[in-house]
Amino acid sequence: DAEITQSPRHKITETGRQVTLACHQTWNHNNMFWYRQDLGHGLRLIHYSYGVHDTNKGEVSDGYSVSRSNTEDLPLTLESAASSQTSVYFCASSLTSGRGTTSEQYFGPGTRLTVT
Amino acid sequence: GQNIDQPTEMTATEGAIVQINCTYQTSGFNGLFWYQQHAGEAPTFLSYNVLDGLEEKGRFSSFLSRSKGYSYLLLKELQMKDSASYLCAVDPRDDKIIFGKGTRLHILP
Repeated sequence: DAEITQSPRHKITETGRQVTLACHQTWNHNNMFWYRQDLGHGLRLIHYSYGVHDTNKGEVSDGYSVSRSNTEDLPLTLESAASSQTSVYFCASSLTSGRGTTSEQYFGPGTRLTVT
Repeated sequence: GQNIDQPTEMTATEGAIVQINCTYQTSGFNGLFWYQQHAGEAPTFLSYNVLDGLEEKGRFSSFLSRSKGYSYLLLKELQMKDSASYLCAVDPRDDKIIFGKGTRLHILP
């Protein structure tokens, strides 16, 4: 069965360290997204990609970067972790939409990141 | 600008009906999604409305009025397992989705 996985599921790191969160999908979806979810803010888009070698900034991209070298993976890197980046991170993927509609997004199980 | 409003919390009784409202103002609109998210889990897709009107899917129905910038999710015959957050999300036409902050629904026995 196709799926979307994230690793690690839990991570504790120190301020200033570089951290990479992995996201892998076997749906063969072109679109991939990274969100963070915090109490009082809901899901906020960090970065997204519409295909290999394509990356775009979302609403809260400062301090984060992504790269897309293949269809299946979109790793998220925190260049220098800050306490404000303590959050739950979700990766999602979707099909490229047809005319007039947008495909639903399938979410990974999430990564809980704590920056101390 | 983008603005999506939904109540922060609601409480309902097992077996009853509850309606969760969502209003939106976005630059660009193609359709509206509803997602369910249980505590500690990932969001899962419930419905997607493009046209005005009510779409029914088992115990869940979703309504859209494009002219009023308004949607609701209707849950019938509530069960304890329906205790979750319900996320209203707008599709602004570019394969991205903009999420509201979610409504936490508590079901009482």
